Parts: sequence; structure tokens; C-alpha cells
Amino acid sequence: DIQMTQSPSSLPASLGERVTISCRASQGISNNLNWYQQKPDGTIKPLIYYTSNLQSGVPSRFSGSGSGTDYSLTISSLEPEDFAMYYCQQDASFPRTFGGGTKLELK
Amino acid sequence: QVQLKETGPDLVQLTQTLSITCTVSGFSLTTYNVHWVRQPPGKGLEWMGAMWNGGGTDYNSAFKSRLSISRDTSKSQVFLKMNSLQTDDTAKYFCARQNPFFGYFDYWGQGVMVTVSS
Repeated sequence: DIQMTQSPSSLPASLGERVTISCRASQGISNNLNWYQQKPDGTIKPLIYYTSNLQSGVPSRFSGSGSGTDYSLTISSLEPEDFAMYYCQQDASFPRTFGGGTKLELK
Repeated sequence: QVQLKETGPDLVQLTQTLSITCTVSGFSLTTYNVHWVRQPPGKGLEWMGAMWNGGGTDYNSAFKSRLSISRDTSKSQVFLKMNSLQTDDTAKYFCARQNPFFGYFDYWGQGVMVTVSS
């Protein structure tokens, strides 16, 4: 199985701040990397697919990059609604696996 | 619009079988793949398996032979069944639709929280 390691697990940040969350795969995943946001009420929505493609309706302050084993999600200027959990996920091989999550918290 | 909704029991007894239904609307199960993902309380997401649009299935080997996924296309429903439940199967169970062009999950249900009680 491909292990996905996310960092940091917790990220205190302020409104308007630029933040980056990292995700490392245990082997190359050829850009098959997706990002999801989970709100405190439990709802999950996709943000970025195939490394850098913005899901329809997601604000342009979200962006993704990476290659090989290392990927990142960047939020350029934090808005109040961005404080949530974030998960990366690989779909290069089965079983699909997720990172452990990053909790983005208000500082 | 696209919707997925999981229904199932709140509580299941230890060693018993869990049955959850995912009822979808706004798309056809013969065109889209549907996956199951679970999340123990306070923990991360775990992929369980998939129902392919052609009727086949794939499972996470972590669940060995405990897990079964099936569907009724006429009712737009996908079923998850897992036997020999243990307390660490306590989790919120989600169904999610796979995007038709990429491997990501573009729509998720709200999830159903299941507690395994001893």
C-alpha cells in the first residue's frame, strides 16, 4: 500500500495569511494526488484533483502543486471559512489511501 | 442535482453484521463508480472499497473477507455489508461518487455514524 504522510498535523494561522500543507507519498504517484476539505460538521468536499486542478466552485485562493512523491496545497489568503481539516489522497493505485489530515486552526 | 445519502443503524452489536445503504440521485450507477470510505471518531479517512459502473467491485484487503459491496441499479442504491464487527469498526461511513474522468471523489454523502457496542 502507498503511505501518505501529511504535514503539519496541526497548523495555527491567522486570517489573510498564506499557508501550505504538504503531502508525501511512500512511492511515486505520477501526479494522481487529490485534496479534500472536511468541515467541522463532517461534510467533505473536493478542492484539488490531479495535483493542481481546481474543482469547480472552489475559490482561486486554493492551489496545488507537486510531482513524484511530494505535493502541496496552498491557500493564498485565509478566509474564515477555510479553517477546517484537509486531507490528501492518492488514486495511483489500490487501495486508495489518504494522508492523516491537517487541522487548520485560527491562531 | 447529484446527491448521495447513507442510511443505516446507529448501533450494531459486537460480532454482528453492519448493513448500510447509499441511495444516489442525479446520476446513474451504470455510468459512475461509487466508493465507500470510513472515518473513526477523531481519526482520518480510510478507503474501504468500490462498486464499479460495470457491476464489479474492489475491496481494501485490510477488511479481508468481511466486506461485501453490491448494488440495485433500479433503485439507485449501493449496499455495504461488513460482518464480524469489532469496536474499532465504530466510525462514520461515507459513500462517494468518483469523477468520471479522474480518480477523485467529486460528491460525498453526509455519512452515517455507526457505533459497535459490546
